[in-house]
Amino acid sequence: GAVVSQHPSRVICKSGTSVKIECRSLDFQATTMFWYRQFPKKSLMLMATSNEGSKATYEQGVEKDKFLINHASLTLSTLTVTSAHPEDSSFYICSASPDRLNTEAFFGQGTRLTVV
Amino acid sequence: GESVGLHLPTLSVQEGDNSIINCAYSNSASDYFIWYKQESGKGPQFIIDIRSNMDKRQGQRVTVLLNKTVKHLSLQIAATQPGDSAVYFCAENSNQGGKLIFGQGTELSVKP
Repeated sequence: GAVVSQHPSRVICKSGTSVKIECRSLDFQATTMFWYRQFPKKSLMLMATSNEGSKATYEQGVEKDKFLINHASLTLSTLTVTSAHPEDSSFYICSASPDRLNTEAFFGQGTRLTVV
Repeated sequence: GESVGLHLPTLSVQEGDNSIINCAYSNSASDYFIWYKQESGKGPQFIIDIRSNMDKRQGQRVTVLLNKTVKHLSLQIAATQPGDSAVYFCAENSNQGGKLIFGQGTELSVKP
């Protein structure tokens, strides 16, 4: 199947710093990618829809200035957690699909963010 | 709001037994459903999907059943193996630009 790669898989940062997470579709182009957040023993919560060449669409309650999303090419979306705090510690996952309706979504391996 | 939920948060089975994981959905407009398997520290992995014009679909050792009347989805795993131990999520495609709404997940534990 198609491959979506996330980098880094783990990151530890100090409070107040910013962290960038990359999501790449390796063998297909994706005009839309999705970013999720997952707490331990919980389900995936959609944060935002990343749209190539335009602004991301954020879900209700997700701070767009806190979680900056850039989708500069058809194979790369980035999520930047700005001024990170310990409560931002979580597992972040991206997904992408070769088709616009996202009927075949492929997920990255996730990024474990720990803010100390 | 619309949501997808699961009846059982944990399920423990003996190796070789069949497993059934259930899911309820509330968005009657959803027309595409997917089951994912997530191992610890990894992203979700596609297992099987089904469209609303079907009520059953079979894969290798897995079967998904869809009951639109009661908005219920289930995943059946035949001859469950230790490697099947993971958290299983159902998800529905909300027809809103491809957004997936995930259920709460069921942790499957297979005893050897």
